[in-house]
Amino acid sequence: RKEVEQDPGPFNVPEGATVAFNCTYSNSASQSFFWYRQDCRKEPKLLMSVYSSGNEDGRFTAQLNRASQYISLLIRDSKLSDSATYLCVVKDSLGDYKLSFGAGTTVTVRA
Amino acid sequence: EAGVAQSPRYKIIEKRQSVAFWCNPISGHATLYWYQQILGQGPKLLIQFQNNGVVDDSQLPKDRFSAERLKGVDSTLKIQPAKLEDSAVYLCASRPLRALEAFFGQGTRLTVV
Repeated sequence: RKEVEQDPGPFNVPEGATVAFNCTYSNSASQSFFWYRQDCRKEPKLLMSVYSSGNEDGRFTAQLNRASQYISLLIRDSKLSDSATYLCVVKDSLGDYKLSFGAGTTVTVRA
Repeated sequence: EAGVAQSPRYKIIEKRQSVAFWCNPISGHATLYWYQQILGQGPKLLIQFQNNGVVDDSQLPKDRFSAERLKGVDSTLKIQPAKLEDSAVYLCASRPLRALEAFFGQGTRLTVV
């Protein structure tokens, strides 16, 4: 079983729509969780951290469910500029800061 | 602040040749990662350094890949000999010791023909 698995997508949505997708992780001892964004042929960049209580950053909402070992990302009022691949990232164990990446979920927002 | 620098940006080699990639992390970042990203997949960790020591190289194909980080700053990743399946983008990332966010370089796109 892969350490981090994501909805493969692609999600093709119109501008203004809401899109949501999930990520599951296998290691119950995982400590921290993140969403990174990767534009086509670019490097990944941190979008947001995911906190236990859930958190929002503008139009983006991240949720963590430790019991079921999944993380979600919801994008409201989608913009054309939100088109990208969203990578779920999990930090395993306490000390070594190993970052494990999912394969990514591709979102395309159309006009 | 300068970001993570990688070179070259692109490299095309024939199978069985050797290749080396270079990474200069953000100044002061103790942790350095090398990731391999094959088209359509997420980044896969090859090796993680903390200063000049190796933290994790469990997924590094040691029969052909090697990496070093002399003096705990710059790092090089070498492939010798290359195989067709090594075609990928090689991403270097760095992070301050107790921070969680990793910063990535633009990557080196390797094509093995």
